[in-house]
Amino acid sequence: DAGITQSPRHKVTETGTPVTLRCHQTENHRYMYWYRQDPGHGLRLIHYSYGVKDTDKGEVSDGYSVSRSKTEDFLLTLESATSSQTSVYFCAIAGQGNYGYTFGSGTRLTVV
Amino acid sequence: AQKVTQAQTEISVVEKEDVTLDCVYETRDTTYYLFWYKQPPSGELVFLIRRNSFDEQNEISGRYSWNFQKSTSSFNFTITASQVVDSAVYFCALSNNDYKLSFGAGTTVTVRA
Repeated sequence: DAGITQSPRHKVTETGTPVTLRCHQTENHRYMYWYRQDPGHGLRLIHYSYGVKDTDKGEVSDGYSVSRSKTEDFLLTLESATSSQTSVYFCAIAGQGNYGYTFGSGTRLTVV
Repeated sequence: AQKVTQAQTEISVVEKEDVTLDCVYETRDTTYYLFWYKQPPSGELVFLIRRNSFDEQNEISGRYSWNFQKSTSSFNFTITASQVVDSAVYFCALSNNDYKLSFGAGTTVTVRA
């Protein structure tokens, strides 16, 4: 096992409600990422983190916020979910040296 | 800014045919890293290869091979003698020293028996 887990795996929520997705790692890696995957777009970076309390925006950050209070956890929050945020969300981790990025199993989020 | 282009949206082949997936990248950095990932129908992302910008040697791993050409900013991937299990979406990706990984849109490969 790669040491990265995402929860929940599936979620259906209503428009306008807040949603938090969790990414947990046991690898003690410095870098953590949230991506969304949509048909025709590949994976697009939402937010990423260089360390505890050190985060930055990716290319599709509008409507999302993140927090990283511990090395092992990276939370993605949709403050007020919209139908356009229906997607599959992947968390990833990376260590020093850019040797590779390990991805979680994904969270399928449906906003109705 | 960095960008990865996978111009082929879908490729369909018959088993045992070779298939080449194109990847063209753009970056202003001299140090960067290129990756290929496989996403089978089950949905997980599987790491295939990493190549840094200073190593232009081609690589072969079983039926997989990669051709890195800095002169054309390309990092192409070939599957030799394709099998049904190779059916998946394949992503090319690029990162630089800021550790931000950017993906292409992906190429869906379907191998028919």
